[in-house]
Amino acid sequence: RKEVEQDPGPFNVPEGATVAFNCTYSNSASQSFFWYRQDCRKEPKLLMSVYSSGNEDGRFTAQLNRASQYISLLIRDSKLSDSATYLCVVNIGGGKLIFGQGTELSVKP
Amino acid sequence: DTGVSQDPRHKITKRGQNVTFRCDPISEHNRLYWYRQTLGQGPEFLTYFQNEAQLEKSRLLSDRFSAERPKGSFSTLEIQRTEQGDSAMYLCASSAPRGDTQYFGPGTRLTVL
Repeated sequence: RKEVEQDPGPFNVPEGATVAFNCTYSNSASQSFFWYRQDCRKEPKLLMSVYSSGNEDGRFTAQLNRASQYISLLIRDSKLSDSATYLCVVNIGGGKLIFGQGTELSVKP
Repeated sequence: DTGVSQDPRHKITKRGQNVTFRCDPISEHNRLYWYRQTLGQGPEFLTYFQNEAQLEKSRLLSDRFSAERPKGSFSTLEIQRTEQGDSAMYLCASSAPRGDTQYFGPGTRLTVL
C-alpha cells in the first residue's frame, strides 16, 4: 500500500464546475498536510496547508480528518487556469514529505 | 529572483558518465531537500540537510548517489556511473527554521541515453 494515495485521474470538468479530490495516508504519526499544485513540466508549488479545523482560500477548501486519515480538496467555480496536477502531501516528520501520485485536472471551456 | 535555483535545468548524458547538479536554496533557509520525480508520479524524497549536516537518506539513494552541503548554503547532488533508470526530474526544496513549508526549485531534468 502506498503511503499517500489519491484518486486516479484525470478529471475533465467544464468551467464553473465544482470538483473534489480525495486522499488517504497510512502513517498515523503524520504531522502536517498540504496540497501542492504542479503545472506540466514545472516544479510543485504550495497551494495550501490543511488543518483539522478545515481551511478555505477563495475558491479552494481543504479538509483533514485525522481519525480516518483522509484529506480532501474542493475547488468551486473552476477556471481554465486551474488545469494542473494536484498533489496530496504529508509531512511524516523531520521535514520529509511524502507525495501522492497526483491527480490531473483539466478544465474545459 | 530570490527563490530556490537549480543548475543545470537540463542534462543529457550517456550511460556510465558522472553528473553533478547544484541547488541554491532561499538565503535564510537552513533546511534543504532533494527529491526525484519520474513521469506520472509524485516526487520521492531522497535526502535532506539541516545546515551542513545530512540528517536522512532514503533507501532510493544508492551508493552511486552522493549529496553534499559543505558550508550549509548551496548543495550538490552527484550521480556516478549513470544508468537509464536514473532519468528523472531532480528537485531541490528548502524550508525556513521552524517552518514546514518547502519551496521547490525548477528542477534539473536528467536524460540518460
